[in-house]
Amino acid sequence: EVQLVESGGVVVQPGGSLRLSCAASGFTFDDYAMHWVRQAPGKGLEWVSLISWDGGSTYYADSVKGRFTISRDNSKNSLYLQMNSLRAEDTALYYCAKDKSGYGTGAFDIWGQGTLVPVAS
Amino acid sequence: EIVLTQSPGTLSLSPGERATLSCRASQSVSSSYLAWYQQKPGQAPRLLIYGASSRATGIPDRFSGSGSGTDFTLTISRLEPEDFAVYYCQQYGSSPTFGQGTKVEIK
Repeated sequence: EVQLVESGGVVVQPGGSLRLSCAASGFTFDDYAMHWVRQAPGKGLEWVSLISWDGGSTYYADSVKGRFTISRDNSKNSLYLQMNSLRAEDTALYYCAKDKSGYGTGAFDIWGQGTLVPVAS
Repeated sequence: EIVLTQSPGTLSLSPGERATLSCRASQSVSSSYLAWYQQKPGQAPRLLIYGASSRATGIPDRFSGSGSGTDFTLTISRLEPEDFAVYYCQQYGSSPTFGQGTKVEIK
């Protein structure tokens, strides 16, 4: 079964750091680009970051650039998001999603169930 | 950044009716890199349509997508009870962006 499972979401204080993980199974992980997408409570979807199949290219939304770092370990079929200098407005459900292509030029065809990151003091 | 504007915000229809959802882009979406997703409460989004008009795996043929350039449409030919949900359009040709969503609710 094709599956993405996120983890790592916990309550964190403003200015704090957190690392999210996403475990992939059921497909050849290192063939595809991967994304992080977030959804604030009661709001719409916001793309956060993209990493190419080999980790050689990464892209970020302006709202997180310089604070978040996306990475992957193809030997472990895992995707990560290191989040630093967290703000209240980063509070959201964070989804990992598989791209249909290797370089991030495809639609997002597989999604995890998300991990919740509340940023609050 | 390409801004996507969806209309209407809410669509109130009955099962069996036809739903027409619109997505307008602030600039042309290259190579029809336009997708549609369905999201039900408490669930992750699900890909319905990519490349503006190609159905994703397992998506019923009552869902269809059309359009090019800056104007795109998702049509649900006959609403089934399980189709009442929020629908998002997305462009993925450059830095991906999503529309704000259209809620299809039971009238």
